This record gives sequence, C-alpha cells and structure tokens, in this order.
Amino acid sequence: AQSVSQHNHHVILSEAASLELGCNYSYGGTVNLFWYVQYPGQHLQLLLKYFSGDPLVKGIKGFEAEFIKSKFSFNLRKPSVQWSDTAEYFCAVTSYNTDKLIFGTGTRLQVFP
Amino acid sequence: NAGVTQTPKFQVLKTGQSMTLQCAQDMNHNSMYWYRQDPGMGLRLIYYSASEGTTDKGEVPNGYNVSRLNKREFSLRLESAAPSQTSVYFCASTLRRTGGYYGYTFGSGTRLTVV
Repeated sequence: AQSVSQHNHHVILSEAASLELGCNYSYGGTVNLFWYVQYPGQHLQLLLKYFSGDPLVKGIKGFEAEFIKSKFSFNLRKPSVQWSDTAEYFCAVTSYNTDKLIFGTGTRLQVFP
Repeated sequence: NAGVTQTPKFQVLKTGQSMTLQCAQDMNHNSMYWYRQDPGMGLRLIYYSASEGTTDKGEVPNGYNVSRLNKREFSLRLESAAPSQTSVYFCASTLRRTGGYYGYTFGSGTRLTVV
C-alpha cells in the first residue's frame, strides 16, 4: 500500500534560515508528488507538484522540491524562510494505478522573527 | 467562484446522532474525496469516488458511508456519531487526465464535534 513519511514533525527556525523538510514515499510505480501548505485556520493550498520531467520543481513563495527516484524522496526546500511561512506542510503522493491521494502526517513549521 | 463547497462549516452532534456532510464542486472534476484531519495524524482518506457511480474505501472508512449523487456532489454520512469522529473534514476533487492527476482542490472544511 502507498504510504508517505514526513520525519520532521516540528521545525523551529529563525527568519532567514534555510529550510529542508523531508518526505519519503513507498510506492514502486510512477508517482505524482505534491507539497501542500496549511496556514493556521485555513484549508490546504498547493505549493508545488511533480509529474514528470525536471526533478527539481519550483513552486510558489520561493519553495522548491527535488524528486530523487532512487531514494523515493521529495524534499521541500526554501533558502530563506520568513515569519509568514509559519504553517503546517504536507507531502502527498498519488499514482497512475490508483485514484487515491495519500498524505504524510505533516510538519509544523514555526518561524520566529 | 469556482471550487469545492462544503456545508456545514461547523457542527456539534451528540453521541449516536446522525448527519450528512455535503460537498459540491463546479469544476467538472471526475474524482472526489473525503478526508479527516486530526492533530499529529495529517489527512487520512475516508472514502473516494474515482468517477460518478463508483465509491471506494480509503484508509479509515469505518463509521462512515458516502454517496456520489452525481458528478458534482459527494456526501459523507455519519450514521451514529461517536466522540472518536470529532475532527475536521475536508472534501477534495480532481480531474484525472492522461499522465496523472492535476490540481487537487480542497474545500474549506467542516469542523465536527461529537459530545
């Protein structure tokens, strides 16, 4: 069965620090990968997605993610975080052979000024 | 505005009561989903419907039923609510195309409390 692991449950950073959030998935077929963000009290918004092609994907608000097929990973990065990036971040995966979008447990990011 | 609409936004139920959460999308998407979100557990898939007329169980289907009424609407029913079903429920939809899924869109959520 598909599963997604996010090993960082809670990350605390100061503004301007660099960010990397880990995401690993378990599925051997062709996958589509996503990162979503949820700001306090709001619903999920798509940050970026990977379907095919260049494994380095750029999203909104300066976020990017790299798909490393050999490692089953899709880590999220941002060179310099801002206080407004405080939110919960979710990695998710689906595939051509299933109609299910499966989420990781999320990483709570707190950025202090 | 185009998107996914969920009703109600808030609901308090007593243990044993029943209710139906409604979801509708106007983007002509073929696949629809119900998730629940609990602290520290992320979003877990309850049921999904790949196309009109089909429904399938997700990760946590027990205690729930669904109906794909038509292409636009996908409802979630709690027949006998339990405190363990206290959660925030999200509906989502997407369009399956050749090459995969594009643009999952989420509703704003229903916060359900069972006392």
